[in-house]
Amino acid sequence: AQRVTQPEKLLSVFKGAPVELKCNYSYSGSPELFWYVQYSRQRLQLLLRHISRESIKGFTADLNKGETSFHLKKPFAQEEDSAMYYCALSGPEGAQKLVFGQGTRLTINP
Amino acid sequence: ETGVTQSPTHLIKTRGQQVTLRCSSQSGHNTVSWYQQALGQGPQFIFQYYREEENGRGNFPPRFSGLQFPNYSSELNVNALELDDSALYLCATGLRTETQYFGPGTRLLVL
Repeated sequence: AQRVTQPEKLLSVFKGAPVELKCNYSYSGSPELFWYVQYSRQRLQLLLRHISRESIKGFTADLNKGETSFHLKKPFAQEEDSAMYYCALSGPEGAQKLVFGQGTRLTINP
Repeated sequence: ETGVTQSPTHLIKTRGQQVTLRCSSQSGHNTVSWYQQALGQGPQFIFQYYREEENGRGNFPPRFSGLQFPNYSSELNVNALELDDSALYLCATGLRTETQYFGPGTRLLVL
């Protein structure tokens, strides 16, 4: 069964500190992994996808197939990073039909 | 800036009623997916339409149905509403296998 687990519902760090949002997945095959973000009063938007290997807003995520993880990291948190973050996967059909985790609410304290 | 819009923004229904939610896609997008997001949960995939045909369905009963029109706008219909159908309903449009763009959602409350 396809499943995405985000073990932390809430995460709070100080501005300037490193951030790591955890994501583990279960999928029998080669999934595509994504991170979506929802800022306050805004719609859900794509932050990054593993196949593009981009760094967006200072965030990176590495797909670790051995540990079935796709943790999101940023070396120095900024207050504008406060948001809801969702990890998601899709199958070979591509960026559609996403399976989401429960989400992690990240709060950056000044 | 994404052009995906949804209507209405919110509505209240009673158990047993039927509801239709609408989604207008960004120009050129031929795929639409619908998701249900219960409070405190991540979005759950309901179904997807590609070029007016259903192209995959999640674990939702048949009383959840949809349509995609030639202009690629879409409807989600839910019959015989239950209390557990109360949620935020999101549509997402895009080109097949490419990034999909989410709308702002319709918040449905079933009493």
